[in-house]
Amino acid sequence: SQQGEEDPQALSIQEGENATMNCSYKTSINNLQWYRQNSGRGLVHLILIRSNEREKHSGRLRVTLDTSKKSSSLLITASRAADTASYFCATDATSNTGKLIFGQGTTLQVKP
Amino acid sequence: DAGITQSPRYKITETGRQVTLMCHQTWSHSYMFWYRQDLGHGLRLIYYSAAADITDKGEVPDGYVVSRSKTENFPLTLESATRSQTSVYFCASSEELAGGPRQFFGPGTRLTVL
Repeated sequence: SQQGEEDPQALSIQEGENATMNCSYKTSINNLQWYRQNSGRGLVHLILIRSNEREKHSGRLRVTLDTSKKSSSLLITASRAADTASYFCATDATSNTGKLIFGQGTTLQVKP
Repeated sequence: DAGITQSPRYKITETGRQVTLMCHQTWSHSYMFWYRQDLGHGLRLIYYSAAADITDKGEVPDGYVVSRSKTENFPLTLESATRSQTSVYFCASSEELAGGPRQFFGPGTRLTVL
């Protein structure tokens, strides 16, 4: 079964607007990660947030983590058409296996 | 070129045939993974490997076989392909970052079973 559930499943915004995607998970985690997938391509790692961190930034990306609610959000600020992609959260729930469990993803469309 | 490659990129086969999907990485990462991606199911782990000659089942292993005789290669075999195995298959390797593992994905193989 999927560890991460993402919301919304699809999101359409105008260029320049902010996009927020949410991820909920079920079990305790070591860290949570976000990946991007452009159409027809493999996933690309964006950012990792550890279980003892509450917020992390990377460029136009801001990730928050609330372990009490078992949820995370990814905010993309000042979106661009090139941000059009699917975004997946992934949880690392076990130590030293390298395994991640991926959510079903949010499809983001940024209209120029 | 450094990275993770998959071959073939596209494959059409018939029900009952054996198919092998290849995966090769140049980083010498210990961990490698095979996923399938289907609409409505996201990414599901088929098999993974912690090192050469060490493999383990993931969430959906039935109908698949893997081997890992060398660190850099991790082939996935469908012993007798079924239509339900029509999917996009991704191979990944994992590098340990500060804070946790980070996965690198290949470009995928789109498999159609007729």
